[in-house]
Amino acid sequence: QKEVEQDPGPLSVPEGAIVSLNCTYSNSAFQYFMWYRQYSRKGPELLMYTYSSGNKEDGRFTAQVDKSSKYISLFIRDSQPSDSATYLCAMRGYNFNKFYFGSGTKLNVKP
Amino acid sequence: ETGVTQSPTHLIKTRGQQVTLRCSSQSGHNTVSWYQQALGQGPQFIFQYYREEENGRGNFPPRFSGLQFPNYSSELNVNALELDDSALYLCASSLTSRGQGANVLTFGAGSRLTVL
Repeated sequence: QKEVEQDPGPLSVPEGAIVSLNCTYSNSAFQYFMWYRQYSRKGPELLMYTYSSGNKEDGRFTAQVDKSSKYISLFIRDSQPSDSATYLCAMRGYNFNKFYFGSGTKLNVKP
Repeated sequence: ETGVTQSPTHLIKTRGQQVTLRCSSQSGHNTVSWYQQALGQGPQFIFQYYREEENGRGNFPPRFSGLQFPNYSSELNVNALELDDSALYLCASSLTSRGQGANVLTFGAGSRLTVL
């Protein structure tokens, strides 16, 4: 079993839709959760960072963490064609020196 | 503030050859991590360097080695290349205390290696 599982998609939605991206994980030691966006032929860029359980909002993006279920989500409101990219979840434990990444979900927002 | 830069951007090698990839970390960052991203997969941790020493290693064989220099730049060396080494190699820099506690990794654009 992989440490982090993520549906690879692709996920295709019309412009303006609400998008839900999800990851599950198996290691209860994970405490820090991140979402990265990766455009084609580019390196990942950090979108959201959350510590432990709860919600965090930043503009059109909301990150949710449910540690009891080992489940994290990223919601994108009013999705735009420029949001078309691969979204990677990542996580680490306290004092860990490495991040564990999901395999990424490819999102396509159609105009 | 400059970001993370990697070179070369693309390269093609044959099986058995050796390759060196280079990375300049973001200004103010003291830690460099290297990740391998196979096509359609998420990045996999290779190793991390802090204060010029390896500070943690993923499930990669010893033919993957690295260096960190006093200016925090870094190299990734891969010997005896295999076909499965074909991937995007990502360098990420961060600011840590004793190599731990990074919540933000700043990635470069990567070096895409093709092994024929």
